[in-house]
Amino acid sequence: DVKVTQSSRYLVKRTGEKVFLECVQDMDHENMFWYRQDPGLGLRLIYFSYDVKMKEKGDIPEGYSVSREKKERFSLILESASTNQTSMYLCASSLTSISGSHNEQFFGPGTRLTVL
Amino acid sequence: AQSVTQLDSQVPVFEEAPVELRCNYSSSVSVYLFWYVQYPNQGLQLLLKYLSGSTLVKGINGFEAEFNKSQTSFHLRKPSVHISDTAEYFCAVSPHFSGTYKYIFGTGTRLKVLA
Repeated sequence: DVKVTQSSRYLVKRTGEKVFLECVQDMDHENMFWYRQDPGLGLRLIYFSYDVKMKEKGDIPEGYSVSREKKERFSLILESASTNQTSMYLCASSLTSISGSHNEQFFGPGTRLTVL
Repeated sequence: AQSVTQLDSQVPVFEEAPVELRCNYSSSVSVYLFWYVQYPNQGLQLLLKYLSGSTLVKGINGFEAEFNKSQTSFHLRKPSVHISDTAEYFCAVSPHFSGTYKYIFGTGTRLKVLA
């Protein structure tokens, strides 16, 4: 079974703090994704990575950065946390399909971040 | 660009009744289609996917969905729901040959199964 783990289930930080959210997958997937989930807005893509040290902006990258130094680990960084970044953060990973069809994304349990 | 619309934000239904959760999409290119389920305090889990072939797709837990290209829809159905089906359901699309494997998610439908 593919396992995607996230470093914390719940996190409380103060405005202006630097925040690190860690995601690790154990199935050698090339692609990794960070989403935020807000009520009524569904999942919105923040950043994704298709290889080590490679990254691309998603739909809402402002205020976030990412790091992928190892294939299994993808970190989301909030340089200076703000209250509007209070949200559920979900990490996902997927395999690059040989056939060209899209493979399933496997999700972690999520980190609920509260910024005070 | 692609977009996904889930018109129903909440759907209450009695146990053992049938349910349909609606999903419509907009895209100028062909897409792959997915339904995910999120149980309380958990991540998302794939229910089913349409990549090609038969337009009726069967998934886990007795769910199925039908791809209708002319109506650009991919509605999710279950003939008889259980209390344990209470969850949030997300429809997603991914454009063919996008090279990035990005998904575009709908805003979700909360299914509440009543005893």
